[in-house]
Amino acid sequence: NAGVTQTPKFRVLKTGQSMTLLCAQDMNHEYMYWYRQDPGMGLRLIHYSVGEGTTAKGEVPDGYNVSRLKKQNFLLGLESAAPSQTSVYFCASSSRTGGSGANVLTFGAGSRLTVL
Amino acid sequence: LAKTTQPISMDSYEGQEVNITCSHNNIATNDYITWYQQFPSQGPRFIIQGYKTKVTNEVASLFIPADRKSSTLSLPRVSLSDTAVYYCLVGSHGSGNTGKLIFGQGTTLQVKP
Repeated sequence: NAGVTQTPKFRVLKTGQSMTLLCAQDMNHEYMYWYRQDPGMGLRLIHYSVGEGTTAKGEVPDGYNVSRLKKQNFLLGLESAAPSQTSVYFCASSSRTGGSGANVLTFGAGSRLTVL
Repeated sequence: LAKTTQPISMDSYEGQEVNITCSHNNIATNDYITWYQQFPSQGPRFIIQGYKTKVTNEVASLFIPADRKSSTLSLPRVSLSDTAVYYCLVGSHGSGNTGKLIFGQGTTLQVKP
């Protein structure tokens, strides 16, 4: 049971380049999230999805796009990378527990992105 | 969305009990309170979750007063390996909620020998 898998783990980009981070979960979770974490800071929500085919904006969505074509995958894209997007990106997933609405997030190991 | 406020940092010594309080004045009826622990270079991991009163598991206790406007994570007899950042998260996926989950700033706990 892999849980939440993020690829790649590390990536270095030049300003203006594009790339896609992949998040895959094998727990049949409905909800998926992308957060970024800058050095010494907390987690900030970029985008999230409440089900296959849906996406929504979080706190800091500018400069990022996402897609959830399959329930198990959530892709985060950077169309034109900027140094300000240097960060560690975490993907998480969760499932509604019965009818309670309780949320327990399972996180991936993170993807460290450096934009030069 | 419920906004959370925690102390930025706390210090403790090995063997002591540590209590970290989170304030969430505008918590909604359907919201649950969940605490996560994060070590450097790792993703956060679930510690404990509650809705009201007291919850206890093998690693921590969570105390929630009747008005639910705050919660306290209690770590008994901490060790050096408990040095981490602790996040309080308030929200739910229940009916009427968007599923948007916003983390607060977290509390950096430093355990000293």
